[in-house]
Amino acid sequence: AQKVTQAQTEISVVEKEDVTLDCVYETRDTTYYLFWYKQPPSGELVFLIRRNSFDEQNEISGRYSWNFQKSTSSFNFTITASQVVDSAVYFCALSEVSTDKLIFGTGTRLQVFP
Amino acid sequence: NAGVTQTPKFRILKIGQSMTLQCAQDMNHNYMYWYRQDPGMGLKLIYYSVGAGITDKGEVPNGYNVSRSTTEDFPLRLELAAPSQTSVYFCASSYSNSPNEKLFFGSGTQLSVL
Repeated sequence: AQKVTQAQTEISVVEKEDVTLDCVYETRDTTYYLFWYKQPPSGELVFLIRRNSFDEQNEISGRYSWNFQKSTSSFNFTITASQVVDSAVYFCALSEVSTDKLIFGTGTRLQVFP
Repeated sequence: NAGVTQTPKFRILKIGQSMTLQCAQDMNHNYMYWYRQDPGMGLKLIYYSVGAGITDKGEVPNGYNVSRSTTEDFPLRLELAAPSQTSVYFCASSYSNSPNEKLFFGSGTQLSVL
């Protein structure tokens, strides 16, 4: 069965610290997509990144980086030198080709203190 | 760019009352979705629509109804509000229903049923 687990409910860091948000998924599909969305205090979810199951290359975008490892079914998200503006709830999601379903994790609330 | 617009942002209902949550998008997206977000839970799909005049149930449709008379609008109706419907509701849209398609979200409606 498909499942997305974000075991970290809440993380607090001080500005400039690096922080990693974990995401572990379960799927029987060989073709699937993984996403990260950010939900800032304003409420709306904002798309950050998607990755397909055949592309295990890590990706870096500014202070954000994503580590996709099929061997451990993980798609972790690292923020380098965190800033107060990074404070938000971050959701990992899985989309399977076979079921056409998008499954969200329960989210990780990140608080970055000045 | 307006994107996806939801109204109202907050609402308190009494048990048994009815209301309509409004959602409009200006991106000419055919696909629209309603999700609910409960504390500590991921987003759950209530209903979705693949185009004007076509709607279908998601994971948690009971107690809700939708309509899609135009491409732009996708209102969600609660007929007999129950405390179990206290939640944050998100409308979203996408260009296609491809599994790798990203969603665009509204800012949410926080609903309390007392």
